Amino acid sequence: AQSVTQPDIHITVSEGASLELRCNYSYGATPYLFWYVQSPGQGLQLLLKYFSGDTLVQGIKGFEAEFKRSQSSFNLRKPSVHWSDAAEYFCADMDTGRRALTFGSGTRLQVQP
Amino acid sequence: NAGVTQTPKFQVLKTGQSMTLQCAQDMNHEYMSWYRQDPGMGLRLIHYSVGAGITDQGEVPNGYNVSRSTTEDFPLRLLSAAPSQTSVYFCASSPTGTTYNEQFFGPGTRLTVL
Repeated sequence: AQSVTQPDIHITVSEGASLELRCNYSYGATPYLFWYVQSPGQGLQLLLKYFSGDTLVQGIKGFEAEFKRSQSSFNLRKPSVHWSDAAEYFCADMDTGRRALTFGSGTRLQVQP
Repeated sequence: NAGVTQTPKFQVLKTGQSMTLQCAQDMNHEYMSWYRQDPGMGLRLIHYSVGAGITDQGEVPNGYNVSRSTTEDFPLRLLSAAPSQTSVYFCASSPTGTTYNEQFFGPGTRLTVL
């Protein structure tokens, strides 16, 4: 069965600092990987996705993620965090047969002024 | 297109009551799914459907029923609500085709069971 691990439950960074959120996936076949962001009380917004090809994926809001098969990782990065980036971030892997996602438990990002 | 819509946005139930969470999409997507979101656990798959008339269980199906009589609608039924079903529920849809594997989410329904 697929599983997605986000090792960091909570991260605090200063505004303007760089950010890296970790994600590890377990399924052996070619993964279909996603990062979503959720602001408090809101729905899910897709930041970026990886299906194949270039392992460095660009997304919205200045985010990028790098797929590393050797490490089973798909870490999310941003070079300079803004206060509006404070939210919860979810990594997910798609089961292509069911077209359903397996989510990590999420990482809550706090941004200090 | 309205995308994926869910009703109601908020609901409070008493233990033992039944209700149906509605989900509809106007994108002609074959695949639809229901998830629940609980603090510290991410989103977990309840039931999914790969097309009209076809449904199957996800990871946490107990206490929930679904049906898919049309491509557009995928209601989730709670037959006898329990406090453990207090959660935020998200419906999602996905198109067919291997080059566009993405899920489109509804805005969610926040359910409280007293």
